[in-house]
Amino acid sequence: DAKTTQPPSMDCAEGRAANLPCNHSTISGNEYVYWYRQIHSQGPQYIIHGLKNNETNEMASLIITEDRKSSTLILPHATLRDTAVYYCIVRGYSTLTFGKGTMLLVSP
Amino acid sequence: SQTIHQWPATLVQPVGSPLSLECTVEGTSNPNLYWYRQAAGRGLQLLFYSVGIGQISSEVPQNLSASRPQDRQFILSSKKLLLSDSGFYLCACRASAQETQYFGPGTRLLVL
Repeated sequence: DAKTTQPPSMDCAEGRAANLPCNHSTISGNEYVYWYRQIHSQGPQYIIHGLKNNETNEMASLIITEDRKSSTLILPHATLRDTAVYYCIVRGYSTLTFGKGTMLLVSP
Repeated sequence: SQTIHQWPATLVQPVGSPLSLECTVEGTSNPNLYWYRQAAGRGLQLLFYSVGIGQISSEVPQNLSASRPQDRQFILSSKKLLLSDSGFYLCACRASAQETQYFGPGTRLLVL
């Protein structure tokens, strides 16, 4: 599976949009981009995934560049409960490989 | 959608004691099942995965083993725990017709 690069930490003010970047320059054509988050002491929570097109659901939006070498997870109106570690994962056949993720701190 | 149960939620065990963690899944049949471990301050590491009853693949050599006696039951075991086995153990499930893995609530293990 391709590796991903994420900033170790980010800050966001409550109510503002949180834009979390991820680089995956070695992604191959059949690999999906997945985003999970992990709130302290809980299991990872699935957020969204995509292959080529931008995706949106009730939690977030995923913007994938045309060359698929990077993506951005957007939380449109961050709340304090969105404070968590966010993992960007490129998934191949079956397994997920988690990196260190981005610690997003949403503050009042 | 599937529901993943793990127990116990927390466990404190002495070094050298045996271990059995259980994961059960509801709401799907013939899922892929996974065991991950997260050591303190570190990322998730895949330990085992299973595509069916009795089929186990190990990702890393270690002091642990896994078994899948039933379609929706996945067990993580050890005969003798080490201090380094401490961590947060997570079971995950991927339904056969889906792309996404979903995680259970986890078991926090402390070996003393």
